[in-house]
Amino acid sequence: DAKTTQPNSMESNEEEPVHLPCNHSTISGTDYIHWYRQLPSQGPEYVIHGLTSNVNNRMASLAIAEDRKSSTLILHRATLRDAAVYYCILSETGTASKLTFGTGTRLQVTL
Amino acid sequence: DTAVSQTPKYLVTQMGNDKSIKCEQNLGHDTMYWYKQDSKKFLKIMFSYNNKELIINETVPNRFSPKSPDKAHLNLHINSLELGDSAVYFCASSHRGQGVGGYTFGSGTRLTVV
Repeated sequence: DAKTTQPNSMESNEEEPVHLPCNHSTISGTDYIHWYRQLPSQGPEYVIHGLTSNVNNRMASLAIAEDRKSSTLILHRATLRDAAVYYCILSETGTASKLTFGTGTRLQVTL
Repeated sequence: DTAVSQTPKYLVTQMGNDKSIKCEQNLGHDTMYWYKQDSKKFLKIMFSYNNKELIINETVPNRFSPKSPDKAHLNLHINSLELGDSAVYFCASSHRGQGVGGYTFGSGTRLTVV
């Protein structure tokens, strides 16, 4: 699985936008970009995924660079409940597809 | 209704014992997984089953044996438990090919071996 690089931690003020970066310079053409988050004492939670085009859903937006070597998860208005570890993961589709988690970015949200 | 449910939530047992963790999903997914999260918070895949067939078996000791009686259930049996098996075990499910809708994880089973 191709590797991703994320900052260890980030901080944000509540109700401000948060941009979480991810570098994946060795991404292959068939790799999807996934974002998951893990709140304290819970299992990972799906946030968003994309292949080439930017994606929006009710939780977040995913901006993918034109060369696909980096992406950014955008939380439009951070709340205290968004404090979690955010994982950027590359994964191919296919019979033996799997998510390989890295260390992620720990997001702190303050009042 | 809980989408992916695991039981028990907590499990404390002595070294050498055999224990099982159960997982059930009601999402109609055809693929299920077991992940292990150790004390350093690294999440690693252990097994993956698609329609009751084992398709991913990472480097896991033979003491760990998954069983899938049907595509909605994936249980994990662990023989001769060791201290190093202490971790949080997460069950997950998805549609095969995983591009559709992502993976759904359970809330975890915290296993403590004493």
